[in-house]
Amino acid sequence: DIVMTQSPDSLAVSLGEKATLNCKSSQSVLSSSNNKNYLGWYQQKPGQPPKLLIHWASTRESGVPDRFSGSGSGTDFTLTISSLQAEDVAVYYCQQYYSPPRTFGQGTKVEIK
Amino acid sequence: QVQLQQSGPGLVKPSQTLSLTCAISGDSVSSNSVAWSWIRQSPSRGLEWLGRTYYRSKWYSEYAPSVKSRITINPDTSKNQLSLQLNSVTPEDTAVYFCARGSEARGVPFDYWGQGTLVTVSS
Repeated sequence: DIVMTQSPDSLAVSLGEKATLNCKSSQSVLSSSNNKNYLGWYQQKPGQPPKLLIHWASTRESGVPDRFSGSGSGTDFTLTISSLQAEDVAVYYCQQYYSPPRTFGQGTKVEIK
Repeated sequence: QVQLQQSGPGLVKPSQTLSLTCAISGDSVSSNSVAWSWIRQSPSRGLEWLGRTYYRSKWYSEYAPSVKSRITINPDTSKNQLSLQLNSVTPEDTAVYFCARGSEARGVPFDYWGQGTLVTVSS
C-alpha cells in the first residue's frame, strides 16, 4: 500500500496569512503514461463528508476559491491557502488514487491564530 | 446534480453483519465512466477506503486487503443504488461510513459523497 504522510498535524495561521500543508507519498503517484499525479486534496468540516478541492495534484474543482492551490510531483505535494479565511478552518486530507487500495493521509488541522 | 443518500442501522452487534445502502440520484450506478466506493472514518484508522464497484461492459469489484475476506459491495440497477455488507464485525469496525463516486478516468477521485452513517458495533 502507498502510505500518505501529512505535515504538520496541526497549523495555526492568522487571518489573511498563508497556510502551507505538506503531503508525502511512500512511492511516486506520477503516471508515466500521461504525466499526471494521481493526488487529491480534501477539506472536511465537522459533521460533513470530505469535500474535494483539488485533483491531479493541482487542478482546482469547480467553485473552489482560487486562494487554494496545489503543487508538487512524484512523492512530495503541497496545498497552499494563500490568504486564510475564517471559513477555511477545517481538517485537510491528501489522497492518492494512483494504485489500489486508495489511501489517505492522516490529516492537517487548520485553525485561526 | 449528483446526490448520494445513505441509509442503514446505526448499531450492529459484534459478529453480525453491517449492511448499508447508498441511493444514487443524478447519475447511474451502471455508468461506464465512474466507480462507486465505500469509505469509512474513525479516530483510530482515519479515512479508510474499503472497496468499489463499477461497470465496464460487465461488473467489477475491488476491495481493500484489510477487509477483503469480509466485505461485499453490490450494485442494484433496479433501484440505482449500491450496498455494503461487512461480515463478522467487531468494535474495531465502529466508524462513520460514506459512499462516494469516483471518476478516475477523468482524473477525479471522490467528487460526490453521501452524508455519512455512524455505525457503532456494540452488544
